[in-house]
Amino acid sequence: ELKVEQNPLFLSMQEGKNYTIYCNYSTTSDRLYWYRQDPGKSLESLFVLLSNGAVKQEGRLMASLDTKARLSTLHITAAVHDLSATYFCAVDGTKKSSGDKLTFGTGTRLAVRP
Amino acid sequence: DAGVIQSPRHEVTEMGQEVTLRCKPISGHDYLFWYRQTMMRGLELLIYFNNNVPIDDSGMPEDRFSAKMPNASFSTLKIQPSEPRDSAVYFCASSLFGDTQYFGPGTRLTVL
Repeated sequence: ELKVEQNPLFLSMQEGKNYTIYCNYSTTSDRLYWYRQDPGKSLESLFVLLSNGAVKQEGRLMASLDTKARLSTLHITAAVHDLSATYFCAVDGTKKSSGDKLTFGTGTRLAVRP
Repeated sequence: DAGVIQSPRHEVTEMGQEVTLRCKPISGHDYLFWYRQTMMRGLELLIYFNNNVPIDDSGMPEDRFSAKMPNASFSTLKIQPSEPRDSAVYFCASSLFGDTQYFGPGTRLTVL
Protein backbone atom coordinates (compact mmCIF):
# COMPACT_ATOMS: atom_id res chain seq x y z
CA GLU A 1 0.00 0.00 0.00
CA LEU A 2 1.31 3.39 -0.98
CA LYS A 3 1.93 5.71 1.99
CA VAL A 4 2.65 9.41 1.74
CA GLU A 5 4.10 11.38 4.64
CA GLN A 6 4.54 15.11 4.88
CA ASN A 7 6.48 17.10 7.38
CA PRO A 8 6.14 19.32 9.13
CA LEU A 9 2.40 19.13 9.75
CA PHE A 10 2.33 22.73 10.86
CA LEU A 11 4.73 25.52 10.01
CA SER A 12 4.71 29.03 11.38
CA MET A 13 7.02 31.26 9.37
CA GLN A 14 8.04 34.84 9.56
CA GLU A 15 7.60 36.95 6.47
CA GLY A 16 10.73 37.11 4.38
CA LYS A 17 12.14 33.78 5.58
CA ASN A 18 12.78 30.62 3.59
CA TYR A 19 11.59 27.14 4.43
CA THR A 20 11.05 23.69 2.93
CA ILE A 21 8.19 21.21 3.18
CA TYR A 22 9.04 17.54 2.69
CA CYS A 23 7.00 14.77 1.12
CA ASN A 24 8.12 11.15 1.39
CA TYR A 25 6.37 8.24 -0.28
CA SER A 26 6.77 4.52 0.12
CA THR A 27 6.63 2.95 -3.34
CA THR A 28 7.47 3.64 -6.95
CA SER A 29 5.46 6.48 -8.40
CA ASP A 30 4.65 7.69 -11.90
CA ARG A 31 4.12 11.30 -10.89
CA LEU A 32 3.76 13.62 -7.92
CA TYR A 33 1.48 16.62 -7.44
CA TRP A 34 1.42 19.58 -5.11
CA TYR A 35 -1.89 21.22 -4.20
CA ARG A 36 -2.81 24.27 -2.17
CA GLN A 37 -5.95 24.62 -0.05
CA ASP A 38 -7.07 27.89 1.52
CA PRO A 39 -9.27 27.65 4.63
CA GLY A 40 -12.81 26.65 3.71
CA LYS A 41 -11.91 26.38 0.04
CA SER A 42 -11.17 23.68 -2.49
CA LEU A 43 -7.83 22.26 -3.59
CA GLU A 44 -5.91 24.08 -6.29
CA SER A 45 -3.26 22.36 -8.37
CA LEU A 46 0.20 23.93 -8.10
CA PHE A 47 2.68 21.57 -9.73
CA VAL A 48 2.99 18.16 -11.33
CA LEU A 49 6.42 16.50 -11.30
CA LEU A 50 6.93 13.72 -13.80
CA SER A 51 10.50 12.51 -13.60
CA ASN A 52 13.56 12.24 -11.42
CA GLY A 53 15.23 15.59 -10.99
CA ALA A 54 12.19 17.52 -12.16
CA VAL A 55 11.98 21.07 -10.83
CA LYS A 56 9.05 23.45 -11.23
CA GLN A 57 8.84 27.05 -10.02
CA GLU A 58 5.97 29.48 -9.69
CA GLY A 59 6.62 32.75 -7.92
CA ARG A 60 8.03 32.08 -4.46
CA LEU A 61 7.34 28.34 -4.62
CA MET A 62 9.67 25.75 -6.08
CA ALA A 63 9.00 22.01 -6.15
CA SER A 64 11.47 19.25 -6.88
CA LEU A 65 11.40 15.48 -7.15
CA ASP A 66 13.97 12.79 -6.32
CA THR A 67 12.46 9.47 -7.32
CA LYS A 68 15.41 7.46 -6.05
CA ALA A 69 14.96 8.85 -2.55
CA ARG A 70 11.15 8.88 -3.00
CA LEU A 71 11.18 12.47 -1.84
CA SER A 72 9.70 15.70 -3.06
CA THR A 73 10.29 19.13 -1.59
CA LEU A 74 8.33 22.36 -1.77
CA HIS A 75 10.62 25.28 -1.09
CA ILE A 76 9.25 28.64 -0.06
CA THR A 77 11.40 31.69 -0.72
CA ALA A 78 10.91 34.98 1.15
CA ALA A 79 7.50 34.03 2.46
CA VAL A 80 4.61 36.48 2.29
CA HIS A 81 1.26 36.38 4.09
CA ASP A 82 -0.59 35.39 0.89
CA LEU A 83 1.18 32.02 0.99
CA SER A 84 -0.64 31.06 4.20
CA ALA A 85 -2.59 27.90 3.33
CA THR A 86 -2.43 24.12 3.64
CA TYR A 87 -0.17 22.39 1.13
CA PHE A 88 -0.71 18.78 0.10
CA CYS A 89 1.48 16.48 -1.89
CA ALA A 90 -0.23 13.66 -3.73
CA VAL A 91 1.37 10.65 -5.31
CA ASP A 92 0.18 8.71 -8.30
CA GLY A 93 1.39 5.15 -7.81
CA THR A 94 2.22 3.08 -10.84
CA LYS A 95 -0.67 2.14 -13.09
CA LYS A 96 -0.25 -1.48 -12.04
CA SER A 97 -0.31 -0.85 -8.29
CA SER A 98 -2.71 2.04 -7.89
CA GLY A 99 -4.61 2.45 -11.11
CA ASP A 100 -5.28 6.13 -11.63
CA LYS A 101 -5.89 7.21 -8.07
CA LEU A 102 -3.86 9.64 -6.00
CA THR A 103 -2.73 9.11 -2.43
CA PHE A 104 -2.61 12.38 -0.53
CA GLY A 105 -0.28 13.34 2.27
CA THR A 106 -1.62 14.70 5.55
CA GLY A 107 -1.01 18.27 4.49
CA THR A 108 1.25 20.99 5.88
CA ARG A 109 -0.52 23.97 7.34
CA LEU A 110 1.56 27.06 6.68
CA ALA A 111 1.04 30.28 8.61
CA VAL A 112 3.12 33.30 7.60
CA ARG A 113 3.27 35.97 10.25
CA PRO A 114 4.49 39.56 9.95
CA ASP B 1 -14.40 27.13 -19.28
CA ALA B 2 -16.41 26.23 -16.21
CA GLY B 3 -14.65 24.14 -13.64
CA VAL B 4 -16.09 21.21 -11.72
CA ILE B 5 -19.53 22.08 -10.41
CA GLN B 6 -20.96 20.62 -7.22
CA SER B 7 -24.34 21.01 -5.58
CA PRO B 8 -25.49 21.73 -3.03
CA ARG B 9 -22.66 23.73 -1.49
CA HIS B 10 -24.04 23.20 1.99
CA GLU B 11 -26.38 20.53 3.29
CA VAL B 12 -27.76 20.17 6.78
CA THR B 13 -29.87 17.13 7.45
CA GLU B 14 -31.03 14.95 10.28
CA MET B 15 -29.76 11.50 11.07
CA GLY B 16 -31.54 8.84 9.07
CA GLN B 17 -32.35 11.05 6.11
CA GLU B 18 -31.18 10.39 2.57
CA VAL B 19 -28.58 12.78 1.17
CA THR B 20 -27.68 13.17 -2.51
CA LEU B 21 -24.63 15.11 -3.63
CA ARG B 22 -24.19 16.08 -7.27
CA CYS B 23 -21.23 16.72 -9.50
CA LYS B 24 -20.71 17.95 -13.04
CA PRO B 25 -17.14 17.32 -14.23
CA ILE B 26 -15.18 19.51 -16.60
CA SER B 27 -16.43 18.92 -20.12
CA GLY B 28 -14.33 16.34 -21.95
CA HIS B 29 -12.73 14.87 -18.85
CA ASP B 30 -12.90 11.10 -18.68
CA TYR B 31 -12.13 10.54 -15.00
CA LEU B 32 -14.27 11.51 -12.02
CA PHE B 33 -13.29 11.15 -8.37
CA TRP B 34 -15.25 11.50 -5.13
CA TYR B 35 -13.33 12.45 -1.96
CA ARG B 36 -14.25 13.11 1.63
CA GLN B 37 -12.28 15.48 3.88
CA THR B 38 -12.40 15.60 7.66
CA MET B 39 -10.02 16.92 10.29
CA MET B 40 -9.54 13.47 11.76
CA ARG B 41 -9.02 11.43 8.60
CA GLY B 42 -7.78 14.01 6.11
CA LEU B 43 -8.60 13.59 2.44
CA GLU B 44 -9.94 10.15 1.52
CA LEU B 45 -10.76 8.82 -1.93
CA LEU B 46 -14.17 7.20 -1.90
CA ILE B 47 -14.63 6.05 -5.49
CA TYR B 48 -13.53 6.91 -8.99
CA PHE B 49 -14.94 6.43 -12.48
CA ASN B 50 -13.34 6.18 -15.89
CA ASN B 51 -15.62 6.77 -18.88
CA ASN B 52 -18.63 6.54 -16.55
CA VAL B 53 -17.61 3.10 -15.25
CA PRO B 54 -16.74 2.67 -11.55
CA ILE B 55 -13.13 1.50 -11.33
CA ASP B 56 -12.32 1.45 -7.63
CA ASP B 57 -14.86 1.81 -4.84
CA SER B 58 -12.67 0.40 -2.10
CA GLY B 59 -12.82 3.69 -0.22
CA MET B 60 -16.59 3.71 0.13
CA PRO B 61 -17.05 3.36 3.87
CA GLU B 62 -20.07 1.07 3.93
CA ASP B 63 -23.23 0.03 2.14
CA ARG B 64 -24.95 3.26 3.12
CA PHE B 65 -22.85 5.00 0.46
CA SER B 66 -23.48 4.61 -3.25
CA ALA B 67 -22.30 6.49 -6.32
CA LYS B 68 -23.46 6.58 -9.91
CA MET B 69 -22.36 8.18 -13.12
CA PRO B 70 -25.20 7.82 -15.64
CA ASN B 71 -23.43 9.92 -18.28
CA ALA B 72 -20.20 11.81 -18.90
CA SER B 73 -21.50 15.06 -17.44
CA PHE B 74 -23.14 14.00 -14.20
CA SER B 75 -22.44 11.96 -11.09
CA THR B 76 -24.17 11.50 -7.75
CA LEU B 77 -23.03 10.34 -4.35
CA LYS B 78 -25.84 9.13 -2.14
CA ILE B 79 -25.86 8.40 1.58
CA GLN B 80 -28.85 6.49 2.92
CA PRO B 81 -29.41 6.58 5.83
CA SER B 82 -27.11 9.39 6.91
CA GLU B 83 -25.35 9.41 10.28
CA PRO B 84 -23.60 12.19 12.24
CA ARG B 85 -20.19 10.63 11.50
CA ASP B 86 -20.80 11.28 7.80
CA SER B 87 -20.43 15.00 8.45
CA ALA B 88 -17.55 16.18 6.26
CA VAL B 89 -16.71 18.13 3.15
CA TYR B 90 -17.23 16.05 0.03
CA PHE B 91 -15.20 16.96 -3.04
CA CYS B 92 -15.64 15.88 -6.60
CA ALA B 93 -12.66 16.09 -8.96
CA SER B 94 -12.19 15.34 -12.64
CA SER B 95 -9.21 14.74 -14.88
CA LEU B 96 -8.29 13.98 -18.47
CA PHE B 97 -6.46 10.71 -19.09
CA GLY B 98 -5.74 10.39 -15.36
CA ASP B 99 -3.60 13.51 -15.34
CA THR B 100 -3.97 16.51 -12.99
CA GLN B 101 -7.18 16.35 -10.98
CA TYR B 102 -9.28 19.52 -10.81
CA PHE B 103 -11.41 19.82 -7.72
CA GLY B 104 -14.87 21.25 -7.34
CA PRO B 105 -15.80 23.70 -4.56
CA GLY B 106 -17.05 20.90 -2.31
CA THR B 107 -20.25 20.18 -0.43
CA ARG B 108 -20.18 20.74 3.31
CA LEU B 109 -22.45 18.12 4.84
CA THR B 110 -23.69 18.34 8.42
CA VAL B 111 -25.75 15.48 9.81
CA LEU B 112 -27.48 16.32 13.08
